[in-house]
Amino acid sequence: DGGITQSPKYLFRKEGQNVTLSCEQNLNHDAMYWYRQDPGQGLRLIYYSQIVNDFQKGDIAEGYSVSREKKESFPLTVTSAQKNPTAFYLCASSARDRGFLAGGEQFFGPGTRLTVL
Amino acid sequence: AQTVTQSQPEMSVQEAETVTLSCTYDTSENNYYLFWYKQPPSRQMILVIRQEAYKQQNATENRFSVNFQKAAKSFSLKISDSQLGDTAMYFCAFDGRNNNDMRFGAGTRLTVKP
Repeated sequence: DGGITQSPKYLFRKEGQNVTLSCEQNLNHDAMYWYRQDPGQGLRLIYYSQIVNDFQKGDIAEGYSVSREKKESFPLTVTSAQKNPTAFYLCASSARDRGFLAGGEQFFGPGTRLTVL
Repeated sequence: AQTVTQSQPEMSVQEAETVTLSCTYDTSENNYYLFWYKQPPSRQMILVIRQEAYKQQNATENRFSVNFQKAAKSFSLKISDSQLGDTAMYFCAFDGRNNNDMRFGAGTRLTVKP
C-alpha cells in the first residue's frame, strides 16, 4: 500500500541532544514537508522540499535541520539549539510540481510525539 | 502572505444534526485550492474535502459539503447528519499557485454529542 511512514511514534530526548525523526513515502511524490503542532494549535511549517537535494526553510526553521538525499526520504533533525522541542511532528508529501498547481493535496504520516526530559 | 482564519476554536453538535464550520482566507491570487482536513484523536490528518477556486460549483463528499464564496474569501464546511466519529479537530487549508507550501488555519475542535 502506498503511504507515508514516520518513526518512531514516540521519542524522548534529553536536553542537549540532537534527535532525528524519520519520514519515508512510497507515493512517488516530489514535494515533502515537516510541520510542528503544539497543543490546541494548527500546523506550522518547519521545512519543505520540492525536489531531491533541495529544501527551503519554513516559518519556524530555527533549531531544525533536514536533508533530502532520496526522493522517498526527508528526515528531520531536532538540534540542541531548538529551545522548546516538545511537540507533535507531522510529515507530509504532495505531487505538487514546482510552478504548477497539481491539485495541492498533502498526504500525512501518522506523526511523531517528541518529549524533552 | 496568505493567511487562513478559523474563528471558532470549539464547537459542539448533537448527533444527527447539522453543523457549519467557518473559514476565511486572504489572498491576491485567482487560482488556488482550498481544503478541509480532519484530525481525530488518533492525530492522523485526513482529507475531508477539496475545492478548486476556478470551479463555481461547491464541492460535496457524502455528508460533507462546502459553501465557497470566492468574492468574500470564505470557505465554510457543512457536516450533515453528524456522527460520533466526526468528533475531531478540523483544519481549513489554502494552497495557491504562488505558494511553495500549504497554509493552515488554527483549527476548530468539533465535539459530536450523543
